[in-house]
Amino acid sequence: AQSVTQPDIHITVSEGASLELRCNYSYGATPYLFWYVQSPGQGLQLLLKYFSGDTLVQGIKGFEAEFKRSQSSFNLRKPSVHWSDAAEYFCAVGATGANNLFFGTGTRLTVIP
Amino acid sequence: DADVTQTPRNRITKTGKRIMLECSQTKGHDRMYWYRQDPGLGLRLIYYSFDVKDINKGEISDGYSVSRQAQAKFSLSLESAIPNQTALYFCATSDVAGGSYYNEQFFGPGTRLTVL
Repeated sequence: AQSVTQPDIHITVSEGASLELRCNYSYGATPYLFWYVQSPGQGLQLLLKYFSGDTLVQGIKGFEAEFKRSQSSFNLRKPSVHWSDAAEYFCAVGATGANNLFFGTGTRLTVIP
Repeated sequence: DADVTQTPRNRITKTGKRIMLECSQTKGHDRMYWYRQDPGLGLRLIYYSFDVKDINKGEISDGYSVSRQAQAKFSLSLESAIPNQTALYFCATSDVAGGSYYNEQFFGPGTRLTVL
């Protein structure tokens, strides 16, 4: 069965510090991987996606993620966090022929001055 | 995404009332989805529709029904609301072409529903 695990419910970082949000997936087929961000009172915005090719993908707002097949992971990173990055982040997985995306439970990011 | 709109944005209702949440999109996408979000549970799929005549149950369809009135409109109904349906509801769309092959989805701003 498909599943997505985001082991960190809540992360707090200082502004300017680096960030890594973890995502592990379980999927029998070749996965297609997404990171979405949800700002307070907003819908979900796509940060980046991985379909194939280079395993390091660049997204919007200075985020990047690396697909590691051997570890079934797709961790999100940012070298220097800004206060406006405070939000909830969701990892999701899809696949060829899948009818839907499967979402992780989310990681809430707090940024302190 | 401004191309996907949801009404109302907030709604408070009482147990037993019928509620309809509406979703409209101007993206021209064929596929539409309804999710609910609960703290600590992420997003769970309620229903999805691949075109006007194709509607499918998702993971948690009990207590909900949907109507696809047109390509651009997909409504979610709670026939008799109960308190555990209190949640944030999202509508999403995806394209039949390249986007849907990978199931990239575009989300509305959400409707916060409270059932007392």
